[in-house]
Amino acid sequence: NAGVMQNPRHLVRRRGQEARLRCSPMKGHSHVYWYRQLPEEGLKFMVYLQKENIIDESGMPKERFSAEFPKEGPSILRIQQVVRGDSAAYFCASSLGQLTYEQYFGPGTRLTVT
Amino acid sequence: SQKIEQNSEALNIQEGKTATLTCNYTNYSPAYLQWYRQDPGRGPVFLLLIRENEKEKRKERLKVTFDTTLKQSLFHITASQPADSATYLCALDSPNSGGYQKVTFGIGTKLQVIP
Repeated sequence: NAGVMQNPRHLVRRRGQEARLRCSPMKGHSHVYWYRQLPEEGLKFMVYLQKENIIDESGMPKERFSAEFPKEGPSILRIQQVVRGDSAAYFCASSLGQLTYEQYFGPGTRLTVT
Repeated sequence: SQKIEQNSEALNIQEGKTATLTCNYTNYSPAYLQWYRQDPGRGPVFLLLIRENEKEKRKERLKVTFDTTLKQSLFHITASQPADSATYLCALDSPNSGGYQKVTFGIGTKLQVIP
């Protein structure tokens, strides 16, 4: 059973470009969380999605950031017009159910904005 | 808002000794607390969960305690090995009315086990 998959693993974007980060949850998991981790900082919650629904986006900046989890295909975290401050590791986690405690994390996407 | 404190300084320990990591929290009474391990360049891996009504939980060489009066959890690794070297994250459930699980992570403590 494959774990949580994220791609790309490394992404370099110039300021002003768009970044698209993909996350395929574990098989059978329909709940996805996105986190951002800055150097020397903890994991910060961004958004929680279920299939076709955004449940909680309280940790996501209102502008330039969006997330989706379509009925088919991976969850996408999209950052428009990237700035240097967006450089970070972005982790996706999935869980089996709404009330399931354990989250399974992917390997992360390291975004570098030049 | 809730605040989680983990010793951000690295903890160096000799192989075979017991490593003890601390997680303190304020401004909240979590229903449960989790510990994760994170290796460089990798995502966190879930280790243990302890609920507010549990004082202690064990898993192989790992032991977690939860003191809701002190607002503190201790994470112990007995007979530590160099392979235990990693960053250990404490995570608390976050208050939300949505009926779903949401956690807040501490910054983590880096453990180095010296052979």
